[in-house]
Amino acid sequence: EVQLVQSGAEVKKPGESLKISCQGSGYRFTGYWIAWVRQMPGKGLEWMGIIWPGESDTRYSPSFQGQVTISVDKSINTAYLQWSSLKASDTAIYYCARAEMTTTYYFAYWGQGTLVTVSS
Amino acid sequence: QSVLTQPPSVSGAPGQRVTISCTGTSSNIGAGFDVHWYQQLPGTAPKLLIYGNTNRPSGVPDRFSGSKSDTSASLAITGLQAEDEADYCCQSYDSSLSGSVFGGGTKLTVL
Repeated sequence: EVQLVQSGAEVKKPGESLKISCQGSGYRFTGYWIAWVRQMPGKGLEWMGIIWPGESDTRYSPSFQGQVTISVDKSINTAYLQWSSLKASDTAIYYCARAEMTTTYYFAYWGQGTLVTVSS
Repeated sequence: QSVLTQPPSVSGAPGQRVTISCTGTSSNIGAGFDVHWYQQLPGTAPKLLIYGNTNRPSGVPDRFSGSKSDTSASLAITGLQAEDEADYCCQSYDSSLSGSVFGGGTKLTVL
């Protein structure tokens, strides 16, 4: 069974750093792209970026380029999303998702989401 | 402002048919990129409903169907049920942004 299990909720202060994780199981981790998606409170989904675990090839949405870093440790089947200096506007639920392909990516498997709250 | 435009809300009575539109441009849907649809129940992760414009994953009832034409796509739900009350979101790829894009989401209310 394909599963993506994300790390738990975080409460941070503005300016702090953070790294959240997404561990895949039940499939060949290096064979599928992993994407990160943001959902701000009461809002829709936003694609942040995507990584190919096999070679750490990473693509970012222009809206998130330079704001976050996506990485992977394929030895433990885990993808990461990190911030060096959080802002209150980073408060959101962050989902990881495994990407499948037609002419575009689509996301058949999702993590349960990680709630990040940034507040002073 | 989302790249793909959806109505904020739609509603229908049990048993009725509703459609949700997803309007794009020549750099995404109009460029031939596939459209995918997700259902998100309150407090849960999105669930894939339709992929590749018209395909249903295993386990998705055939009450849900997708279509695509020119620069837009639609999700149709027939035989509306109370359990269909959720947010629905479309997704595609945009060549000018070089990445995936989502619609703003549509809240379906079953009256």
